[in-house]
Amino acid sequence: AQSVTQLGSHVSVSEGALVLLRCNYSSSVPPYLFWYVQYPNQGLQLLLKYTSAATLVKGINGFEAEFKKSETSFHLTKPSAHMSDAAEYFCAVAGPKGYNKLIFGAGTRLAVHP
Amino acid sequence: GAVVSQHPSRVICKSGTSVKIECRSLDFQATTMFWYRQFPKKSLMLMATSNEGSKATYEQGVEKDKFLINHASLTLSTLTVTSAHPEDSSFYICSARDRGRAYEQYFGPGTRLTVT
Repeated sequence: AQSVTQLGSHVSVSEGALVLLRCNYSSSVPPYLFWYVQYPNQGLQLLLKYTSAATLVKGINGFEAEFKKSETSFHLTKPSAHMSDAAEYFCAVAGPKGYNKLIFGAGTRLAVHP
Repeated sequence: GAVVSQHPSRVICKSGTSVKIECRSLDFQATTMFWYRQFPKKSLMLMATSNEGSKATYEQGVEKDKFLINHASLTLSTLTVTSAHPEDSSFYICSARDRGRAYEQYFGPGTRLTVT
């Protein structure tokens, strides 16, 4: 069975500050991991994905995430927050080889203050 | 590329009526489509997996007679909410899996259903 835990349902940062959104996964098989962003009343947009290649994954809008097998983590970071980053972020796991359905975390709402 | 559309984006219907939501992959072939439901300020809940040309696989607790799913072609899946009630009001999102990149799902913009 697979599961995802996102620590912190709400994260608030100042514009220009580091963004860190935490995601831990549980999987009995090598996982494929994803981060999605959702703006109000919209669908999900893929930020980045880990598919068993490089452990440090770079995505769109300056986001990146590092897969750490020993910690079963896939935390999302961005060096400098922008007001437009305010949104809901979802971590998801699939496997093996991503063919299975996505299992989503509960989501983290990111607020960015001026 | 990899665009998924949903229609309608918003729909209001009366209790007891049925509503159909379409999900289309515009520039790729989707052998598999997924239907999710999202409650306010909540995560996505997978309702069913739809494979082209075969019956949908429903998640536990999802009534297949209430949420009818049809995936008649490689670019179109439909979700019909039958005899809708106010508790069916929700945000419904579909996603499609590109047959050429099977590990990635592309999401539609969602449909806001309100049942009065």
